[in-house]
Amino acid sequence: EIVLTQSPATLSLSPGERATLSCRASQSVSGYLAWYQQKPGQAPRLLIYHASNRATGIPARFSGSGSGTDYTLTISSLEPEDFAVYYCQQRNNWSITFGQGTRLEIK
Amino acid sequence: QVQLQESGPGLVKPSGTLSLTCAVSGGSISSDNWWNWVRQPPGKGLEWIADIYHRGTTNYNPSLQSRVTISVDAAKNQFFLKLSSVTAADTAVYFCARVPYTLDGFDVWGQGTVVTVS
Repeated sequence: EIVLTQSPATLSLSPGERATLSCRASQSVSGYLAWYQQKPGQAPRLLIYHASNRATGIPARFSGSGSGTDYTLTISSLEPEDFAVYYCQQRNNWSITFGQGTRLEIK
Repeated sequence: QVQLQESGPGLVKPSGTLSLTCAVSGGSISSDNWWNWVRQPPGKGLEWIADIYHRGTTNYNPSLQSRVTISVDAAKNQFFLKLSSVTAADTAVYFCARVPYTLDGFDVWGQGTVVTVS
């Protein structure tokens, strides 16, 4: 099973700042890496697929990058609605795993 | 657009079987998608349970495989989850979700249904 480790566990920033979230895989996931945003009481929302492709309707301030085992989600300038929990997820060898999440909170 | 709706008992007794249904509307379950179950224990992260392609191909989380069955009824445009021998650790919000065949991410989710084992 591929283990995804997200860092940091909690990120405290202010609106307008840049957020950088990391996801490291225990082995290469060959770019099959997605990112989600989840708010309390809601289902997750797909932000990024195939490591760097924005999903439909996702604002341009969200971007993804990375390859092999190391991936990054960047939010260029935080809006108030961006404060939430973010998960990475991989799909490889017919199995799916999620990272443990990064909580993005208002400083 | 495609919508997913989970349904099933909200309370299951320990050692019993959890059974959930996901109804697909606004599209066909026989399209090129993987249909999934994902769960989230209270205050914790997401855990993938299983997926199924409409032709019957299935994949399971190795940690749950011995207790899980996923199935599909194309005529009813529904898919199902059965989880046997449940314990309190299976208490969670259960989501159904779609992964398009050409994607690696879940692009459509149900609202989730709370299942308590007690």
